[in-house]
Amino acid sequence: DIQMTQSPSSLSASIGDRVTITCQASQDIRNYLNWYQQKPGKAPKLLIYDASILEGGTPSRFGGSGSGTHFTFTISSLQPEDLATYYCQQYDNVPITFGQGTRLEMK
Amino acid sequence: EVQLVQSGGGLVKPGGSLRLSCVASGFPFASTWMTWFRQSPEKGLEWVGRLKSKTSGGAADYAAAVRGRFIISRDDSTNTMYLQMNSLTPDDTGVYYCTTRVLVRGNWFDPWGQGTQVTVSS
Repeated sequence: DIQMTQSPSSLSASIGDRVTITCQASQDIRNYLNWYQQKPGKAPKLLIYDASILEGGTPSRFGGSGSGTHFTFTISSLQPEDLATYYCQQYDNVPITFGQGTRLEMK
Repeated sequence: EVQLVQSGGGLVKPGGSLRLSCVASGFPFASTWMTWFRQSPEKGLEWVGRLKSKTSGGAADYAAAVRGRFIISRDDSTNTMYLQMNSLTPDDTGVYYCTTRVLVRGNWFDPWGQGTQVTVSS
């Protein structure tokens, strides 16, 4: 199975801050990586697919980059509604696997 | 509207069985591959398995942890996917989600069901 190592596991930031989360795959997954946002009691919501393409309706302050084994997710200017847990997910091979999540909290 | 609505779940004793349902609307279900995930505080988000469309062969793939105990099936006449869970253990406790990735009228959608709680406990 492909292991996804996501960091940090939690992050405290202020409104307007730039936030960066990284995800490392245990083997080459090309660009088959999604980023999800999950709020308490809700299903995950897809924000970015193919490592860097914004899903329809995703605000432009969200961004993704990377290929192969190293990936980055950024929020250029943190907004209050962005407080959530974020997950990377590889879909290059089954079983599909997730990072352990990054909990984003307000400073 | 592209939508998935789940039902089923609940509390079951170890060794018992449960069946989850996932009803799709707003997209061509019969030609769409479908997936189940689950989530627990201990293990995070886990892939359970996927079911190909009949036009792609109709086979199912399963995570090692559930292979031989869980069965994913579909009824294209009612736009419904099922997850039959047998020989349940406490490790199967979690919130179960159905999902897919589908192109509708030129736009990609990634709908998820609302999630259903499965608790395995004596």
